[in-house]
Amino acid sequence: DTEVTQTPKHLVMGMTNKKSLKCEQHMGHRAMYWYKQKAKKPPELMFVYSYEKLSINESVPSRFSPECPNSSLLNLHLHALQPEDSALYLCASSQVAGGYGYTFGSGTRLTVV
Amino acid sequence: AQKVTQAQTEISVVEKEDVTLDCVYETRDTTYYLFWYKQPPSGELVFLIRRNSFDEQNEISGRYSWNFQKSTSSFNFTITASQVVDSAVYFCALSEWEAGNQGGKLIFGQGTELSVKP
Repeated sequence: DTEVTQTPKHLVMGMTNKKSLKCEQHMGHRAMYWYKQKAKKPPELMFVYSYEKLSINESVPSRFSPECPNSSLLNLHLHALQPEDSALYLCASSQVAGGYGYTFGSGTRLTVV
Repeated sequence: AQKVTQAQTEISVVEKEDVTLDCVYETRDTTYYLFWYKQPPSGELVFLIRRNSFDEQNEISGRYSWNFQKSTSSFNFTITASQVVDSAVYFCALSEWEAGNQGGKLIFGQGTELSVKP
């Protein structure tokens, strides 16, 4: 299995809702990432997990809460989002050293109304 | 701090033309990795190539070729005989080796939107 699977593919949520994005990989990668991508912009790093521990938080607002329950799963919990948080959320995984290649999921397209 | 610059925001060519996408990077590390990704309208990021900082050999894969020059901090990408299916946004990206097993930060350039017209 050489894929990163993200669910759901599309999500529409209200500003008072709580929702979660899920990401799964079975390549034995011990580093997992969340990226946010706005239209016509490059992906921006949000969080990095290494060996199931949060190693990098790029000053992301607390309304985004990541979780890594085991080495194969990565979640992103969403609460009280704003319309400007609407974007494509990409999950990726890699070997911990990072330089060996990153595998990206197809993303969750989030719309906040 | 690391930085990737793709000066070409949009390129439009006619099918069968050759096209080169430029990428210039900045890093203080001696060990780093460079990547090219393709992002079609569907949104997924498709991996094209990885190069480490110690390997300056150019590479050719079918119609794709890459020219890595450390002296000018450039990692350019050429598509020969372009096709309509090559239309996409192309990102150059840089990852520095992270000591301490923190996981590598992959930093993207702004992307070049390539449009290949029939």
